[in-house]
Amino acid sequence: SAVISQKPSRDICQRGTSLTIQCQVDSQVTMMFWYRQQPGQSLTLIATANQGSEATYESGFVIDKFPISRPNLTFSTLTVSNMSPEDSSIYLCSVSRGTGWGPNYGYTFGSGTRLTVV
Amino acid sequence: DAKTTQPTSMDCAEGRAANLPCNHSTISGNEYVYWYRQIHSQGPQYIIHGLKNNETNEMASLIITEDRKSSTLILPHATLRDTAVYYCIVRSNAGGTSYGKLTFGQGTILTVHP
Repeated sequence: SAVISQKPSRDICQRGTSLTIQCQVDSQVTMMFWYRQQPGQSLTLIATANQGSEATYESGFVIDKFPISRPNLTFSTLTVSNMSPEDSSIYLCSVSRGTGWGPNYGYTFGSGTRLTVV
Repeated sequence: DAKTTQPTSMDCAEGRAANLPCNHSTISGNEYVYWYRQIHSQGPQYIIHGLKNNETNEMASLIITEDRKSSTLILPHATLRDTAVYYCIVRSNAGGTSYGKLTFGQGTILTVHP
C-alpha cells in the first residue's frame, strides 16, 4: 500500500494567517482526500483532490477557506486560510491503498497535521 | 452511504478476543463494510472489509450476518497496542457522488487492559 508523508506534523499559528499542509505519496494515485478531525471528534471529509481538475468540496467547506492544489499524481496541498481558533484541528490526507477502486481497496491515511490557532 | 451504529466504548482483557459490533440495518446491496482504527495521535489504519462473506486477515476477522444488517469485528487475541477507536464504515464501491468517500461515525473506543 502507499506510504504518505505529511508536513508539517504540527504547527501553532496566529489567527488571520494561513498554513499550507503538504501530502506526498510514494506512488501515483488518482484521488487524494483531505479530512479534518476536530478535538475529540471523528473525521470529516473536506474535499477530494483530483489531478488535473478542481477539487470537489463537501458541504460546509469552501475553496476560499481551504484551497487545494494537486499538481501531479503524487502530491497535494491543503491551505487553511485566514485562520481562527475554530480551525484548530488535525488535518489528514488519504489515498486509495490500491491502484483501482474495486472492492479490494481500502485507504491509507497520513499521520496528520495538528494545527493550533492562537 | 448507509448509517452505522456502534457502542461508544468497550473493554477487553489482554489476550482475550475483542468482539466489536456494528449495526448497519439500512445497508444496500452494493455497499461494503469497512473497519478502520485510530490509535491516539495517528491517522486511521485500515483493518478489513467485506461484502457478504466472512473475511479474515492477519489483523482480524469480520463476521457479517446473513441479512447483512450487522457485523462484528473480531480481534482474536487483543493486546495493549490494540487500544484505539474502531470505526465501522459502510461504503458503496459504485460510482456517483460518493465515489471514494469514507463517512466516519463516532466509532467505539476499545480499551484493552492487563
